[in-house]
Amino acid sequence: EAGVVQSPRYKIIEKKQPVAFWCNPISGHNTLYWYLQNLGQGPELLIRYENEEAVDDSQLPKDRFSAERLKGVDSTLKIQPAELGDSAVYLCASSPGDRGNEQYFGPGTRLTVT
Amino acid sequence: AQSVAQPEDQVNVAEGNPLTVKCTYSVSGNPYLFWYVQYPNRGLQFLLKYITGDNLVKGSYGFEAEFNKSQTSFHLKKPSALVSDSALYFCAVRESHTNAGKSTFGDGTTLTVKP
Repeated sequence: EAGVVQSPRYKIIEKKQPVAFWCNPISGHNTLYWYLQNLGQGPELLIRYENEEAVDDSQLPKDRFSAERLKGVDSTLKIQPAELGDSAVYLCASSPGDRGNEQYFGPGTRLTVT
Repeated sequence: AQSVAQPEDQVNVAEGNPLTVKCTYSVSGNPYLFWYVQYPNRGLQFLLKYITGDNLVKGSYGFEAEFNKSQTSFHLKKPSALVSDSALYFCAVRESHTNAGKSTFGDGTTLTVKP
């Protein structure tokens, strides 16, 4: 079974530039998560999708961050414009949807904003 | 609000010795509890979970964890540590009776197993 795929793995951009991350979840997983992970900390939820619906985006900084999950499969997370403080690892995860199910994580995208 | 505490940033053990990585949680109802492991430059990998039933759960790579409701703890254990167990471990909690489905993660514990 293929795992969660994320691209790119690494991205270096200058501040004020836009950046986008892509995630393809495990086939059949209707729940998709985007997390931010800072060094030395656990993942923090940015947004959770149930199929194509964003059911929890309370932690997403909507002034600069946006996300979409068209057709309820793969997803894109965008930052525009990026700030120095956005440097972090962005993790995508998926699960079959039930609250008792574990999440399957992708390898993450390490973003460096200079 | 739910929360997770991993009181030790670092745990060091000798190979062959038992290991324990501590986790305590806070939720308003009954918890779903998870342990994940993260190797360098990799995403988190699921180890084990407690949903209901037996308080002692067994997972991948010989790890186990015991749910203790009175102490609100879910410590990760292994009887005999391997050097290859060295990694970053995260505990996570989710409240079972809401539709929110949001997991809260601890800040992680770095386990180092020395030969």
